[in-house]
Amino acid sequence: AQKVTQAQTEISVVEKEDVTLDCVYETRDTTYYLFWYKQPPSGELVFLIRRNSFDEQNEISGRYSWNFQKSTSSFNFTITASQVVDSAVYFCALSEAGEYGNKLVFGAGTILRVKS
Amino acid sequence: GAGVSQSPSNKVTEKGKDVELRCDPISGHTALYWYRQSLGQGLEFLIYFQGNSAPDKSGLPSDRFSAERTGGSVSTLTIQRTQQEDSAVYLCASSLQMVGYPLVTYEQYFGPGTRLTVT
Repeated sequence: AQKVTQAQTEISVVEKEDVTLDCVYETRDTTYYLFWYKQPPSGELVFLIRRNSFDEQNEISGRYSWNFQKSTSSFNFTITASQVVDSAVYFCALSEAGEYGNKLVFGAGTILRVKS
Repeated sequence: GAGVSQSPSNKVTEKGKDVELRCDPISGHTALYWYRQSLGQGLEFLIYFQGNSAPDKSGLPSDRFSAERTGGSVSTLTIQRTQQEDSAVYLCASSLQMVGYPLVTYEQYFGPGTRLTVT
């Protein structure tokens, strides 16, 4: 069965600090996709990144970077020089592509509070 | 372009009444998903549509829940005889359909949700 674990329930940092959000997943499939979504106080889930199981290259997008390690089944997300606008709930999700669709299995989410 | 839209944004209903929640996906997205988000259960998958058919209904919590999609576009989630435990935010998402071999999975774009409160 698929499972996503985000062990950090809540993290508080001061603006300009770097912060890493952890994500550990379980799956029996060799082909799967991993995602990160942001849910700001407004409530709408915002897509951040998609990564397939065959691509272990790390990715950087501005202040955001992602570290995918199949050996440890982890897909961690780092925000560099955090800003107050980064305050949100962040969800990691897993999907196994199959003929019945690619439903997302979400972790419980990590609440990030960035203080000025 | 327009994103996923959902209506109503808020719905308060009495226990035992039926409710209908509507989702309008991004134009051109043939895959449509319903999820719900509640404090106790987090984000849970409910049902998946490919076009007008629903090959995966495994997440529907009971037979009081049903959904349909018409014209490969708008979808309606219906909850009959609502119970207090149905109170949650119901989220709709759409994506491009998986293609290729192995199947390529695309990201899902979410609507703003419908907050359902059953009193």
